[in-house]
Amino acid sequence: KTQVEQSPQSLVVRQGENCVLQCNYSVTPDNHLRWFKQDTGKGLVSLTVLVHENDKTSNGRYSATLDKDAKHSTLHITATLLDDTATYICVVGDRGSALGRLHFGAGTQLIVIP
Amino acid sequence: DMKVTQMPRYLIKRMGENVLLECGQDMSHETMYWYRQDPGLGLQLIYISYDVDSNSEGDIPKGYRVSRKKREHFSLILDSAKTNQTSVYFCASSLRGNQNTLYFGAGTRLSVL
Repeated sequence: KTQVEQSPQSLVVRQGENCVLQCNYSVTPDNHLRWFKQDTGKGLVSLTVLVHENDKTSNGRYSATLDKDAKHSTLHITATLLDDTATYICVVGDRGSALGRLHFGAGTQLIVIP
Repeated sequence: DMKVTQMPRYLIKRMGENVLLECGQDMSHETMYWYRQDPGLGLQLIYISYDVDSNSEGDIPKGYRVSRKKREHFSLILDSAKTNQTSVYFCASSLRGNQNTLYFGAGTRLSVL
């Protein structure tokens, strides 16, 4: 059973618009949650990591929140650019060390159009 | 420059042939991983290596084996490739005690005909 569910599966926005991507998970324990950006044909690049209950992070136009009680995270992208076109992947780690396992969502495919 | 390098980037093989995917990292990370990514699914862990000659099966190890003889290199081997092993394979590395140091390679797209 998938332990990390992302929604929507795909999203099309116009350049300059804001968008919100959702991640719900059932991983226990949930040590940390990370959002990755994957450009087409490329590897995963980390955008941000959230560790604590009610964490909020900001990385330029990307901001993220984590609600550990609800096991839910959101990734906000402000004023989207064409280069934001990519797949965004939510990953939950059940420990902070490599002894833990990483649980990957299937991703949200974001397409930014002019 | 912190980097995980995968070779080759693209590979086409016939069913039954042997396949070698190579991965290198320049960060002296103890831990290295092999994942595969298929459409509509999250990345699935094939093998994890905690250091030289210290490898453990992941969630989908069947049909694969690995080799780690140097800390900076981690190889994935498919003996007698099958068509259902067509996928994109990702290598990653991290410090043993801190998955915040996780870095991914660009992937190898393998097609088994």
